[in-house]
Amino acid sequence: QVQLQESGPGLVKPSETLSLTCTVSGGAISSYYWSWIRQPPGKGLEWIGYIYNSGSTNYNPSLKSRVTISVDTSKNQFSLKLSSVTAADTAVYYCSRVGAVIVPAAIRGNYYYMDVWGKGTTVTVSS
Amino acid sequence: DIQMTQSPSSLSASVRDRVTITCRASQSISSYLNWYQQKPGKAPKLLIYAASSLQSGVPSRFSGSGSGTDFTLTINSLQPEDFATYYCQQSYSTPRTFGQGTKVEIK
Repeated sequence: QVQLQESGPGLVKPSETLSLTCTVSGGAISSYYWSWIRQPPGKGLEWIGYIYNSGSTNYNPSLKSRVTISVDTSKNQFSLKLSSVTAADTAVYYCSRVGAVIVPAAIRGNYYYMDVWGKGTTVTVSS
Repeated sequence: DIQMTQSPSSLSASVRDRVTITCRASQSISSYLNWYQQKPGKAPKLLIYAASSLQSGVPSRFSGSGSGTDFTLTINSLQPEDFATYYCQQSYSTPRTFGQGTKVEIK
């Protein structure tokens, strides 16, 4: 079955760029949307954005000016870059696959949900 | 952004109890509502999608209902492995947003 694994530095200095990669195994990265979500310590979940294998993206407006999500289909990976980080960006970062139920007659089109998740990676922003 | 509000924020229950968690959206989201379970130190796990569809492999004691702005997650006959935090999430529009979570604890 499909598995996701996040990787990247666990410690990032303030004002620098956080860079994470999610490696997809057990299935192709094509034909799906892929998301990043984060969870600050002791808090709830925050959606960061998603990318389709074509490269089209959608970002949370609260982070949009600092976020870039990209995909490398040849490596079956997608990546997150978050620039100008502060302590508020300290969190567990998860990557996930976005599954869908295709319902042509639905008022907003397909039903999307995050059905496969990586284990998460902790990123601390500190000097 | 669509705001998702869960109630209660936490609850205490016993094994074999029936538990109900509610989620309210700040505007109508039709049936574009998902539920996740998260255990400490683990990634969230999808339970319910499209408000009432059970994800493959999820026990049938979990069920979801609702449409529009009000939704419910019900756990029939709570089991020891069900003590966790539950989140609702809307997929009606971007940015995707989550409820603040409901922690189900052992009484």
